[in-house]
Amino acid sequence: KQEVTQIPAALSVPEGENLVLNCSFTDSAIYNLQWFRQDPGKGLTSLLLIQSSQREQTSGRLNASLDKSSGRSTLYIAASQPGDSATYLCAVTTSGTYKYIFGTGTRLKVLA
Amino acid sequence: GAGVSQSPSNKVTEKGKDVELRCDPISGHTALYWYRQSLGQGLEFLIYFQGNSAPDKSGLPSDRFSAERTGGSVSTLTIQRTQQEDSAVYLCASSQYNQPQHFGDGTRLSIL
Repeated sequence: KQEVTQIPAALSVPEGENLVLNCSFTDSAIYNLQWFRQDPGKGLTSLLLIQSSQREQTSGRLNASLDKSSGRSTLYIAASQPGDSATYLCAVTTSGTYKYIFGTGTRLKVLA
Repeated sequence: GAGVSQSPSNKVTEKGKDVELRCDPISGHTALYWYRQSLGQGLEFLIYFQGNSAPDKSGLPSDRFSAERTGGSVSTLTIQRTQQEDSAVYLCASSQYNQPQHFGDGTRLSIL
C-alpha cells in the first residue's frame, strides 16, 4: 500500500532564504508525482508535475526533483517570499491506477 | 477561462439527511476526481472518472457515498444518511489525461 510522508510538517523561515521540502513514498512504481500548494480555505494549485521518466521539473523559483529508486522527491524554493506562505502537498499515482495518494503537507511560513 | 466550480461552498445539515455536492469541471477535461479533506488529515481519494471508462470507486468509505458524472461533464457526489464523521471539506479536481489537476475551492460540509 502506497504511503506518502512529508517532512517537516511545519517550517518558518525569514524572507530571502532558499529552502527544501521533502516528500517520500514507499512504492517506487509510480506513474507521476505532483507538488501542490494550498492556501487557507482554498483548493489546491498544481505547481509541478513530474512524470516517472523525468528527474526534475522547474517553474520560476521552484524546482522539483524525483528519485524513484530511493522513493524521494524534493521541492526547492529559491529566494522565498512572504507570498510563498502556504501548505505544500505532494501526491503520487502508482502505476496501473490514476488514484492520487497525498502526503499530509508541509505548512510553510515566510517571515517578512 | 473558468476554473473548476463547486457548489454549494458551504452546507450545514442535520445528521441523517441526504446531501448532494456538485462539481463543474473545466470544459474538455476528461478526468474528474473527488477528494475529502478532514480537519488535521490529508486529502483522501474518494472516486475518479476518466472519459467513458468505469469509475474507480475504491476510495468511497461506505455505501452511503455515491457519485455520478453525467455526459462526461458535471459530477454529483451524494452522501445518504449523513453522519457527524462525514463533516469535512469535499474537493473536486479535473484534468486532461496525465496532466496537472485543477481543483475547485471545495464544499465545506458540517453535520450537526
